[in-house]
Amino acid sequence: AQSVTQPDIHITVSEGASLELRCNYSYGATPYLFWYVQSPGQGLQLLLKYFSGDTLVQGIKGFEAEFKRSQSSFNLRKPSVHWSDAAEYFCAVERGGSQGNLIFGKGTKLSVKP
Amino acid sequence: DVKVTQSSRYLVKRTGEKVFLECVQDMDHENMFWYRQDPGLGLRLIYFSYDVKMKEKGDIPEGYSVSREKKERFSLILESASTNQTSMYLCASSFQFRGRDQPQHFGDGTRLSIL
Repeated sequence: AQSVTQPDIHITVSEGASLELRCNYSYGATPYLFWYVQSPGQGLQLLLKYFSGDTLVQGIKGFEAEFKRSQSSFNLRKPSVHWSDAAEYFCAVERGGSQGNLIFGKGTKLSVKP
Repeated sequence: DVKVTQSSRYLVKRTGEKVFLECVQDMDHENMFWYRQDPGLGLRLIYFSYDVKMKEKGDIPEGYSVSREKKERFSLILESASTNQTSMYLCASSFQFRGRDQPQHFGDGTRLSIL
């Protein structure tokens, strides 16, 4: 069965430091992968997506993610974190054979220290 | 910009009540979804719909039903609310472009408390 694992429940980084949030997926074919961000009390906003092609994808707010098939990973990165990046981040994979149906990881909460 | 509107941000109901959560999208999307979000469990799919009057069960449909009478509106129904249905409920919509499903757009959520 398909699954998405985000190994880190909570991460704290200092403002200005680099960030990497981990995501591993389980799927036999080429996956369609997504990262969403959720600010407190809000819905989810799409940061970026990978459908095919270039394995390094750029998203909004200065985020990027790299698809590594050999490691079944799709890690999210940002070179310099801002206090406004504090939020919860969700990785998702499209369920195979299903119309836009997503499986989400359990999320990683990011805290930013001044 | 796509707008997915959930009718209530906060809702308090009593055990045994029939509860309706409404979701409306303004971009003529074919696909609509209902999730619940609980701490440590992420988002779990309750029901989804690919078209008017069509519905499919997600991973946790028990205790819920849905209605999609118009393309823009997707309602989630708690037939007889129970305390274990206290949660954040998120609605989403998406569309197809050149045969490929596009990413989902989410509403701001309804925080439902069942007393």
